[in-house]
Amino acid sequence: AQSVTQPDIHITVSEGASLELRCNYSYGATPYLFWYVQSPGQGLQLLLKYFSGDTLVQGIKGFEAEFKRSQSSFNLRKPSVHWSDAAEYFCAVGQGSAGFQKLVFGTGTRLLVSP
Amino acid sequence: DVKVTQSSRYLVKRTGEKVFLECVQDMDHENMFWYRQDPGLGLRLIYFSYDVKMKEKGDIPEGYSVSREKKERFSLILESASTNQTSMYLCASSHQGHSGQPQHFGDGTRLSIL
Repeated sequence: AQSVTQPDIHITVSEGASLELRCNYSYGATPYLFWYVQSPGQGLQLLLKYFSGDTLVQGIKGFEAEFKRSQSSFNLRKPSVHWSDAAEYFCAVGQGSAGFQKLVFGTGTRLLVSP
Repeated sequence: DVKVTQSSRYLVKRTGEKVFLECVQDMDHENMFWYRQDPGLGLRLIYFSYDVKMKEKGDIPEGYSVSREKKERFSLILESASTNQTSMYLCASSHQGHSGQPQHFGDGTRLSIL
């Protein structure tokens, strides 16, 4: 069965510093991969997605992610973190047939931004 | 923009009550989902539906049922609420098209069972 691992429960980054959140997946075929962000008290918002093609994917709010098949990873990055980026981040892999997919989520990484 | 609306942000109910959580989406999406979110466990799929009157069990369906009488509305029902169902509940919807359609989420309902 497909699974997603986010090894870091919490990460603290200084404002202005770079950020990398780790995500590893287990999936037999070419995966459909997603990163979502959840601000306190809110639902999940899609940051970016990968289906195929260019392995470096650009998303909203200045985020990007790189798909590395050899490492089964899809890490999220941002060159300069802002205080408003403090939130919980979820990586997910799509499973199912064409036209319909369920998502399997990781357990999330909570990002804290220090002044 | 896709709008997924959950009827309540906060809800407090008593053990043994029948509880209804409502979700409405305005983008004519075929697929709808109910998740529960608990600290350290991420999101777990309770039920999903890919068409009106169709439903499929997710990973943790025990103690829950669902109803989809109209395409835009997907209801989660706790038949007899128990304290271990205290959680954040998230509804999502997605389009049935090419593979990899993202899911769009509501703001969640924080449910407390006393």
